Amino acid sequence: DQQVKQNSPSLSVQEGRISILNCDYTNSMFDYFLWYKKYPAEGPTFLISISSIKDKNEDGRFTVFLNKSAKHLSLHIVPSQPGDSAVYFCAANTYNNNDMRFGAGTRLTVKP
Amino acid sequence: DTAVSQTPKYLVTQMGNDKSIKCEQNLGHDTMYWYKQDSKKFLKIMFSYNNKELIINETVPNRFSPKSPDKAHLNLHINSLELGDSAVYFCASSQGRAPGPGYTFGSGTRLTVV
Repeated sequence: DQQVKQNSPSLSVQEGRISILNCDYTNSMFDYFLWYKKYPAEGPTFLISISSIKDKNEDGRFTVFLNKSAKHLSLHIVPSQPGDSAVYFCAANTYNNNDMRFGAGTRLTVKP
Repeated sequence: DTAVSQTPKYLVTQMGNDKSIKCEQNLGHDTMYWYKQDSKKFLKIMFSYNNKELIINETVPNRFSPKSPDKAHLNLHINSLELGDSAVYFCASSQGRAPGPGYTFGSGTRLTVV
């Protein structure tokens, strides 16, 4: 029962261009969404989050968009840099509940 | 000065053995977790401990048991290891019950059962 889905296992973009990573969820009770970034042989690290009362959250080059009616969120990275190459996990939760659900991840490769 | 540290990083063992993975956090967090990343790369929560109480227990086999001697440690014991237990196991910690940036993960333990 995968309540959080990332349907693109990989994405390749040119340095300087925009990277768009997508995530869909099925549980309408989710009200908090996060993106984690993972380098090889390391644990996931928090990148950016958004609560369901917002539809956009921006932090530097990273912006997360939430479309509640479509149960869809996306992460935009502009401009993309080679150091952004990593696996990105989407995660969702209900606030005040630690049962966070993760997607399977999307491997982003940014080519110089 | 690693915030969440797991040992060992790699573990290769035979079917039927019993093994433990240790996790320690120095962040002062009050909640710790174990996640399993399976062959399909999904991260699935197994256990969490808050103030020495188990607050989440997914449907994992009872061969897996978390042990928390104090709030800075959450060890994972696995009895009678099976081939399907091969995976990467991540420990994590957070402050309080709310999700969000407070989740700090360890670097993972790759368990291979042969």
